[in-house]
Amino acid sequence: DAGVIQSPRHEVTEMGQEVTLRCKPISGHDYLFWYRQTMMRGLELLIYFNNNVPIDDSGMPEDRFSAKMPNASFSTLKIQPSEPRDSAVYFCASSWLDTQYFGPGTRLTVL
Amino acid sequence: AQSVAQPEDQVNVAEGNPLTVKCTYSVSGNPYLFWYVQYPNRGLQFLLKYITGDNLVKGSYGFEAEFNKSQTSFHLKKPSALVSDSALYFCAVHNNDMRFGAGTRLTVKP
Repeated sequence: DAGVIQSPRHEVTEMGQEVTLRCKPISGHDYLFWYRQTMMRGLELLIYFNNNVPIDDSGMPEDRFSAKMPNASFSTLKIQPSEPRDSAVYFCASSWLDTQYFGPGTRLTVL
Repeated sequence: AQSVAQPEDQVNVAEGNPLTVKCTYSVSGNPYLFWYVQYPNRGLQFLLKYITGDNLVKGSYGFEAEFNKSQTSFHLKKPSALVSDSALYFCAVHNNDMRFGAGTRLTVKP
């Protein structure tokens, strides 16, 4: 298996633009997580899904953030409109039997 | 509420010496405990986990961790550190959800 796949790996955008991050989990995993990592705040859980259903989105910072999982093999995290403080590395992880497997991350820079 | 603490931001050891990265947790019930490692510009990578059974858990790359219920600790250890072990290490606890510690940066000097 190729592991968790995220795209793009790097994204540079201007404030106010819409940003869409994509994730393909490991086949057969029933949980999917979105995290954000910054130097200041460390690793933050944004939202997670179980069998494509959002379970807990309490970590989503504000209404500008939204996440979807239309099927078991694809999820998106959207920021609209983006702001400079959204600059971070965003990780997707999938899990089965409690162990999470992380993707390589998307480094987002909002100018 | 569950939480996990990594009391050291930074740990420095010389190559060949034993290393310990500390982790303590607070959770009701019996937790699942994990260690992950993050190399530069990479995602977190699973090292080992404790669910139940033997308190000493062996994982990838020669790492091991000891579950101590009375001290609510789950310290990561390795008998002989390598320069290539230099990375950011995260402890995590899973009860109803997964909580990660703030991370400890391990530097192994030649």
